[in-house]
Parts: sequence; structure tokens; C-alpha cells
Amino acid sequence: NAGVTQTPKFRVLKTGQSMTLLCAQDMNHEYMYWYRQDPGMGLRLIHYSVGEGTTAKGEVPDGYNVSRLKKQNFLLGLESAAPSQTSVYFCASSFPGTVYQPQHFGDGTRLSIL
Amino acid sequence: AQSVTQPDIHITVSEGASLELRCNYSYGATPYLFWYVQSPGQGLQLLLKYFSGDTLVQGIKGFEAEFKRSQSSFNLRKPSVHWSDAAEYFCAVGGYSSASKIIFGSGTRLSIRP
Repeated sequence: NAGVTQTPKFRVLKTGQSMTLLCAQDMNHEYMYWYRQDPGMGLRLIHYSVGEGTTAKGEVPDGYNVSRLKKQNFLLGLESAAPSQTSVYFCASSFPGTVYQPQHFGDGTRLSIL
Repeated sequence: AQSVTQPDIHITVSEGASLELRCNYSYGATPYLFWYVQSPGQGLQLLLKYFSGDTLVQGIKGFEAEFKRSQSSFNLRKPSVHWSDAAEYFCAVGGYSSASKIIFGSGTRLSIRP
């Protein structure tokens, strides 16, 4: 079972470059999330989506854009990368529910901005 | 405002010894509490969750946690740790339904002494 797959696993960018991180899930989950993880700060929610074609801002959305054109994919874009966006990025997905459904996480993308 | 505090950044215990990881939370309503584990290079995995009822909850891998409302705490315990338990552990609050957001603590890194 693939679960949640993130592409790429590592990337180094120069300030001002753009890139897109891809998240794909094969569990037919409605909800998808993008987090960033920084030392000593836990995970912070960037954007999330509750279904195909819908997205919403999380705690730290500035500098990022997302798209959910297909149910199984959730893209995170950096239009003009900044050193402050150096982080490990995690995608997660879950079923919807009136009670909490566990989020399934990918293995992360380590992004360095020089 | 919601917040989660994990006061211990790094803990080292001997293999076979007992473990307790501390978590304190601040939440305006009935808290929904979680513990996640992150092995090196991987995403987060849900260990256990508390919604209501019995304040002692059992999770996977032999972990348990106790909810103490009077102390605003949700400490994670394990009677005897194994070398494979070395990982980072995150406490989180919120997220009763899948559409709700979760606030993560900053994490506690657990090392196991042979």
C-alpha cells in the first residue's frame, strides 16, 4: 500500500525560484493537508482541502498556494522561494467525519532555500 | 487560545526502563487530545487519542496516556521501553471532527540508552 506519497523527497532552491510539491494519496480520502515542520515548533498547518476543487488557509499560508484539481492529489506551490521557507513539508490525508478520523502522513519533503 | 506545551525537548531512558512524556494543554472547551510518534525520516503516526470517557487510554505499541483535567495534562507512558521506541513524540489538541484543526506541541525527542 502506497498510502500518502510525496514528491520530491529533497530539494534545494535558490531564493526567488519557484517549485511545486506533489502529494498523492491512494486511500480515497476526502481531506488533505499540508504542514511544515520546523525545529522546536512542531507541525504547523499551511493549507488544507476538504474536497476536490476546494482549499482553505491554515495557520501559516503566506507565501504558499495550493490546488486540488483531482481528489487524490494536493499540490503545494512556492511562487518565489525565501530562506524562511526552508523546512520539512508533510502532506496528510484523512476521511471526513463528525468524529476525528486519523490523518495519514507522507514521509516528508526536505526543502532548503539558499 | 489553543496551545500545547511539551516541556521536555529531549529525554534519554535506558532500555527496559519506564517512560513518561509530559504534555500540558490550553483549550477553551472540552479538549480532544492526541499523541503522535515520528520515526526518523518518516511522517507522523497516531499512537492514541482521547475524546471522552475513561481518562486512561490505551494506544498502539504498548503506550498509554492519562487525561487529568485538573492539571490540564495528557502525559504519555510506557512501562518498559524498547530500542525501537526511539523517535520524536508529539502531543496535539483539538480536531474533534475531521474538519477541525489540530494544534501540535513542539515535540519531545526520545533516545534509548542500551
